Amino acid sequence: NAGVTQTPKFQVLKTGQSMTLQCAQDMNHEYMSWYRQDPGMGLRLIHYSVGAGITDQGEVPNGYNVSRSTTEDFPLRLLSAAPSQTSVYFCASSYSGGLVAFFGQGTRLTVV
Amino acid sequence: GENVEQHPSTLSVQEGDSAVIKCTYSDSASNYFPWYKQELGKRPQLIIDIRSNVGEKKDQRIAVTLNKTAKHFSLHITETQPEDSAVYFCAATPKAAGNKLTFGGGTRVLVKP
Repeated sequence: NAGVTQTPKFQVLKTGQSMTLQCAQDMNHEYMSWYRQDPGMGLRLIHYSVGAGITDQGEVPNGYNVSRSTTEDFPLRLLSAAPSQTSVYFCASSYSGGLVAFFGQGTRLTVV
Repeated sequence: GENVEQHPSTLSVQEGDSAVIKCTYSDSASNYFPWYKQELGKRPQLIIDIRSNVGEKKDQRIAVTLNKTAKHFSLHITETQPEDSAVYFCAATPKAAGNKLTFGGGTRVLVKP
């Protein structure tokens, strides 16, 4: 099992550009989430999904979009990148009804 | 929504000493409290967790205690070793919210040899 895989690992964007951060898991987990990590602020929930076709907003959803067409994939889209979105992004997954979150290796995004 | 406060933000200990990190939460519906360890440049990984029907849980050199009345929980690391140096995050969630973890701000622990 590869676990939770995120691509790319590093990305630099110009202000106003759009892009998609990819997240895939091969553990047949129903729950998937996206977090951003900023210094001193821990990890903050952006969007989450409890199954294919179902998504909901977390604490900091503005500027981000998600979809969940399959159990395995949960991409995060930045619609128009802003410097405030410079952060490290983590995708996580867990079993339905389970609470232990397995994290991907992260994507370090810089918006200039 | 839930709010989790974590203290201290940095902690420096001598190898062999104990380290204690404290977290408070606001939502009385929260009933699951995990602790994650994140080494430099790596992903967060679960090290221990506790559910609200348990007051204390221990796993070798680490332990977690929970006080539901006061809404706080703590991580205790005994006999610290250099490999314990990392950032530690506490989190809280109500089970009914699926896996919507609310994290504390993190504690950077440095174990000095």
